[in-house]
Amino acid sequence: DAMVIQNPRYQVTQFGKPVTLSCSQTLNHNVMYWYQQKSSQAPKLLFHYYDKDFNNEADTPDNFQSRRPNTSFCFLDIRSPGLGDAAMYLCATSREWASEGYTFGSGTRLTVV
Amino acid sequence: TQLLEQSPQFLSIQEGENLTVYCNSSSVFSSLQWYRQEPGEGPVLLVTVVTGGEVKKLKRLTFQFGDARKDSSLHITAAQPGDTGLYLCAVLGGKLIFGQGTTLQVKP
Repeated sequence: DAMVIQNPRYQVTQFGKPVTLSCSQTLNHNVMYWYQQKSSQAPKLLFHYYDKDFNNEADTPDNFQSRRPNTSFCFLDIRSPGLGDAAMYLCATSREWASEGYTFGSGTRLTVV
Repeated sequence: TQLLEQSPQFLSIQEGENLTVYCNSSSVFSSLQWYRQEPGEGPVLLVTVVTGGEVKKLKRLTFQFGDARKDSSLHITAAQPGDTGLYLCAVLGGKLIFGQGTTLQVKP
C-alpha cells in the first residue's frame, strides 16, 4: 500500500545530542511536511518541502533543520535537543501545496533525557 | 488567536452515550476537514465538507458544515471505546491549519 513511513517510532536522545528523524513516502507526492505535536495539542507545522524547495515557518527555531535528498525521503535534524523539544514528530505528504489530501505517517515519539 | 476554536477540549463519557464536538471560526472557508488521531499514531482524515449546510455520515459519525461555512460539528452516536482519540478540525489556509483538538475518552 502507498504510505508514509516514519522511523524510528520511538527515539530517546540525550540533551544536546544531535538527532535525525526519518520519513519516506511511496505516494510520489510533491510536498512533504514536518509537524511537531506536544501532548494533547494540535500539530504545529515546522517546515515543508515543495519538491526541492525548502519553506520554513517563521516561528520554527533554528535548532530544527530538514533535508530532502530525493522525492521519497525527508529528514528532520534537531541540532541540540532540549527538554522542550520532546514531542511527537509527524511527517505528512500531499500531491500539491494547499492540496486537500494530506497523508500522515504514524509519527516518531522523541524523548530527551 | 486561534483561527479554529474547538470545544470541548476534553470529553470523558461512558460507552453508549452520544456526543457532539464543535469547530468554530469567524472566517469563511471553502472546505473543512475532520481528522481522528489515535494515541501514538498520526492523524487520519475522516471527512472533508465543502458545501454550506452539508451533512456527511460515516457509520456512527455525523459531520455538518454550517450554512455560512464558518463552523462545523461532529456528532457521535452510541460512542464506543474504539472512538477514543484526539479529534481535530482543519482548514487549508495555504497550509493545513488545525484547531486545538478535542480529546475524547470513551470508557467501557
